[in-house]
Amino acid sequence: DQQVKQNSPSLSVQEGRISILNCDYTNSMFDYFLWYKKYPAEGPTFLISISSIKDKNEDGRFTVFLNKSAKHLSLHIVPSQPGDSAVYFCAASVVSYGQNFVFGPGTRLSVLP
Amino acid sequence: NAGVTQTPKFQVLKTGQSMTLQCAQDMNHNSMYWYRQDPGMGLRLIYYSASEGTTDKGEVPNGYNVSRLNKREFSLRLESAAPSQTSVYFCASSERISGPNQPQHFGDGTRLSIL
Repeated sequence: DQQVKQNSPSLSVQEGRISILNCDYTNSMFDYFLWYKKYPAEGPTFLISISSIKDKNEDGRFTVFLNKSAKHLSLHIVPSQPGDSAVYFCAASVVSYGQNFVFGPGTRLSVLP
Repeated sequence: NAGVTQTPKFQVLKTGQSMTLQCAQDMNHNSMYWYRQDPGMGLRLIYYSASEGTTDKGEVPNGYNVSRLNKREFSLRLESAAPSQTSVYFCASSERISGPNQPQHFGDGTRLSIL
């Protein structure tokens, strides 16, 4: 049973519009969440993170929102650019357990020019 | 900036053969990790090393062994390869094992096929 779910395998968005990638988790002990971006034939690269003491974290065009009661987080990319086309992984961990992240299956984002 | 370097990038093995995947990082990180990624699934942790001299099992350790050779290097060994171990393997490192703001830095992966 997957503890971290990304129910949309793929998403297409027009350049300049907002991309919203969603992630749901089942383990209420998770208290630290990250998003990674992955291009083909490369390893994942860290994008943005959020601690459970916050409900929003922003870094340039990227914002992550956390809704603890719904066990849901989302990544907003505004405005979307063709270079954002990649697979996005959501990951979660329990900080006191160390760095044993649980990754979601990923969402492939395509930003169309 | 090399970051995390994995060798080889591709490998084809026959069932029963053995192989060692190499990983080295030049960021002076204390902690290192091995993941596998299969289609439709997220990355799953095989083994990790919190610091030089220590290793621990992750979610899917069966069929694998690891060695933390020194602070820089963390190798993954398949003693007797099986088709179920066909996957893309990623090595990662982080400054330390615990605490927030400790993102992992990944290598570019090794694509391994077992026939």
